[in-house]
Amino acid sequence: GAVVSQHPSRVICKSGTSVKIECRSLDFQATTMFWYRQFPKQSLMLMATSNEGSKATYEQGVEKDKFLINHASLTLSTLTVTSAHPEDSSFYICSASWGRGNQPQHFGDGTRLSIL
Amino acid sequence: QKEVEQNSGPLSVPEGAIASLNCTYSDRGSQSFFWYRQYSGKSPELIMFIYSNGDKEDGRFTAQLNKASQYVSLLIRDSQPSDSATYLCAVMRGGGGNKLTFGTGTQLKVEL
Repeated sequence: GAVVSQHPSRVICKSGTSVKIECRSLDFQATTMFWYRQFPKQSLMLMATSNEGSKATYEQGVEKDKFLINHASLTLSTLTVTSAHPEDSSFYICSASWGRGNQPQHFGDGTRLSIL
Repeated sequence: QKEVEQNSGPLSVPEGAIASLNCTYSDRGSQSFFWYRQYSGKSPELIMFIYSNGDKEDGRFTAQLNKASQYVSLLIRDSQPSDSATYLCAVMRGGGGNKLTFGTGTQLKVEL
């Protein structure tokens, strides 16, 4: 149980392209989804928290106009990296949890984004 | 002081030995504690979670929590080479909407 699917697994695209990443909870309703970024040999960095039907809460230093998050249903959240540049190249990982407290986060397989 | 501290390692143990991974946290409002395993180039995978003081066992894994000392640990018995990974300790504050604070992880190497 608690399967989270993330697509695509890898994206390579030109600078200036917008890239959309999908995160789906397959066997549970995700009241909250989280988006992380991880650079090589570094720890996970939380970018934003999204609750179904409401605006995402972004961490300090994360540009909300750059990283658009939509959590339209209890099973789907999307992250769109707008006008991506080489410095946006990273490993993006989503996670999902249910309930409002003390529930674990379950992670998707991640998306490796490379901007040329 | 970091909110969640882990020794970065690498921690090297021989195959079949017990690996002991430690984590301390600073927020006394933390209520839930999680261990994730992350293989190189992959996303984190939930190993165990613990809410109450004491030990919690699941197969070869045992999580230990001491809230008074603000300390949580993960023991891996009969370590296997496939256990070689980075282990992330994460804590959750009560009423925090399931938001986790992660440590930087401990790299474990199980040697043949």
